[in-house]
Amino acid sequence: QVQLEESGPGLVKPSQTLSLNCSVSGESITSSGYYWNWLRQPAGKGLQWIGRLYGSGTTNYNPFFKSRVSLSGDATKNQFSLSLTSVTAADTAKYFCARWAIGEAYSFDSWGQGTLVTVSS
Amino acid sequence: DIQMTQSPSSLAASVGDRVTITCRASQSIRNFLNWYQQKPGKAPKLLIYTASDLETGVPSRFSGSGSGTDFTLTISSLQSEDFATYYCQQTYSTPPTFGRGTRVEIK
Repeated sequence: QVQLEESGPGLVKPSQTLSLNCSVSGESITSSGYYWNWLRQPAGKGLQWIGRLYGSGTTNYNPFFKSRVSLSGDATKNQFSLSLTSVTAADTAKYFCARWAIGEAYSFDSWGQGTLVTVSS
Repeated sequence: DIQMTQSPSSLAASVGDRVTITCRASQSIRNFLNWYQQKPGKAPKLLIYTASDLETGVPSRFSGSGSGTDFTLTISSLQSEDFATYYCQQTYSTPPTFGRGTRVEIK
């Protein structure tokens, strides 16, 4: 059974960089059957996809974030990371990592519990 | 981006009621439509994938239908543990996008 767990600072100052890690157990992040994703959800609002990592390091990002976002993976630790630069209060949200099954299901079948990040001075 | 429109945004129902939530895509997404349930403070949970396939372990009172642009999630007999917010999501194209959610409340 795959498990995902987010970690990182809960408070980030405006204009700084938000950095989060997602530790994965039960499945390798280099597995060809899955994409590894970051999403976020502001309080009381809906879900927004940020980007995905797969294979040996291929990434795709939501154009909404333009050049502010970067995902990377560490196969030795079996974790992947999110970096979001130049944050503002609008980036305050609960951030989730999730697995996207590429096969027949083609859906987000496993999620971390989420971590709340507040952008404030 | 493909826009996903859910309706209603909220509904009040009683235990035992039949509940239907609809989701419309701004263009055809074939059957690349998933449904999630989210309870307060928790991560979303996959219920239905590819429009009508029930995720393992999800009760059979949940069902999905539709293709193209119009989709439906049905709960045949609402249980107390089903009070939550439900989201549809398309994975037909990148970025994957979600509906704004339907909150199911106790009447």
